[in-house]
Amino acid sequence: ETGVTQSPTHLIKTRGQQVTLRCSSQSGHNTVSWYQQALGQGPQFIFQYYREEENGRGNFPPRFSGLQFPNYSSELNVNALELDDSALYLCASSLASGADTQYFGPGTRLTVL
Amino acid sequence: AQSVAQPEDQVNVAEGNPLTVKCTYSVSGNPYLFWYVQYPNRGLQFLLKYITGDNLVKGSYGFEAEFNKSQTSFHLKKPSALVSDSALFFCAVRDFTSGTYKYIFGTGTRLKVLA
Repeated sequence: ETGVTQSPTHLIKTRGQQVTLRCSSQSGHNTVSWYQQALGQGPQFIFQYYREEENGRGNFPPRFSGLQFPNYSSELNVNALELDDSALYLCASSLASGADTQYFGPGTRLTVL
Repeated sequence: AQSVAQPEDQVNVAEGNPLTVKCTYSVSGNPYLFWYVQYPNRGLQFLLKYITGDNLVKGSYGFEAEFNKSQTSFHLKKPSALVSDSALFFCAVRDFTSGTYKYIFGTGTRLKVLA
């Protein structure tokens, strides 16, 4: 069984640029959630995708957007990057949108200069 | 709104001693509670969960947690700490709003086990 994988591991961007982060869900999981973890903080929910549709969103502006593909892998896109977007971005997959346990990937460390 | 609180930023314990990492919760309805651990430069690893049933939940790596409804707590415990247990621990509650299940995390507690 393959776990959740994310790419890239690290990324450095400048203010105003756009970034795409990728996530492959665990085998058999059809739901992907994205979280932002700022330094010294707990993860904050960004949004969730279930069977290629957005299934809920946290308190993040529209410049944070996502996609889920037929194989249930997912992308997180952030436009017009700001310094405060610097964080660890975590992807989590689960068997279904109502499943109680989410399994996290290793994260992508984004630095915005 | 659901929330969890981790009152300690850091917990220090000597190797071989018992450890406790505290978590309190505030939820409406029955809580779904979780503990995750994060090692340096790694994602979150699932340790254990409480959904219903026995108040003492056993998880990975010898950790366990005790659900206490009257004190609204879900403290993580281990009888004998190892240096390799040193990590960042997060308590979380599952929240269901606007048709979406998501986790609400605490701010984390750094555990340092001293040799």
